[in-house]
Amino acid sequence: ELQVAESGGGLVQPGGSLRLSCEASGFRVSSNYMSWVRQAPGKGLEWVSVLYSGGRIYYADSVRGRFTISRDDSNNMLYLQMSGLRVEDTAVYFCVREDGDDWYFDLWGRGTLVTVSS
Amino acid sequence: QSALTQPPSTSGSPGQSVTISCTGTSSDVGGYNYVSWYQQHPGKAPKLIIYAVTKRPSGVPDRFSGSKSGNTASLTVSGLQAEDEADYYCCSFVGSRDIPWVFGGGTKLTVL
Repeated sequence: ELQVAESGGGLVQPGGSLRLSCEASGFRVSSNYMSWVRQAPGKGLEWVSVLYSGGRIYYADSVRGRFTISRDDSNNMLYLQMSGLRVEDTAVYFCVREDGDDWYFDLWGRGTLVTVSS
Repeated sequence: QSALTQPPSTSGSPGQSVTISCTGTSSDVGGYNYVSWYQQHPGKAPKLIIYAVTKRPSGVPDRFSGSKSGNTASLTVSGLQAEDEADYYCCSFVGSRDIPWVFGGGTKLTVL
């Protein structure tokens, strides 16, 4: 069965760091375009970062310079290293697979909650 | 890159049809036929219901349809059912070298 499962969320103080993990099943992370999308409490969806199969990486302006997306091909995992966390980074973070032909998000995880608070 | 513009809320009675708009610019919605729509029930992950403006994934009822005119895309839900009550988000491929995606702010659909 095709699925992705996020982990690693939790409570962190402003300025702190956290690493989110995404375990993929039924497909290879390395062969797909993989994104992180977040949703602040009661708010809409916000695209955060993408790692293309060929290795290109892009970030939203709001996280560029603070977040780093990466993958472990041997373990079929996607990661999001978050540092310099701010209160406004509080959100549910979804790991999402993209279809690179028609450009849409076809497989979503359940998400992991990151809370940045003192 | 600014978010796409959606109405915050809309409503309809069972059996009726509603249309949700998604307005962008010539750099996103108007420039590419890569608009997708997602349905999200409370506490759940978003679910793809329309991609490439008009295409429906397998398993999505044909009551859901998409269209586009200029810089505005639309999602129409026909024959409203109680389970259609949810948040709906549009998304467009941007093609920017820096930021490839932009979402709409979301629309809360209430089935009266």
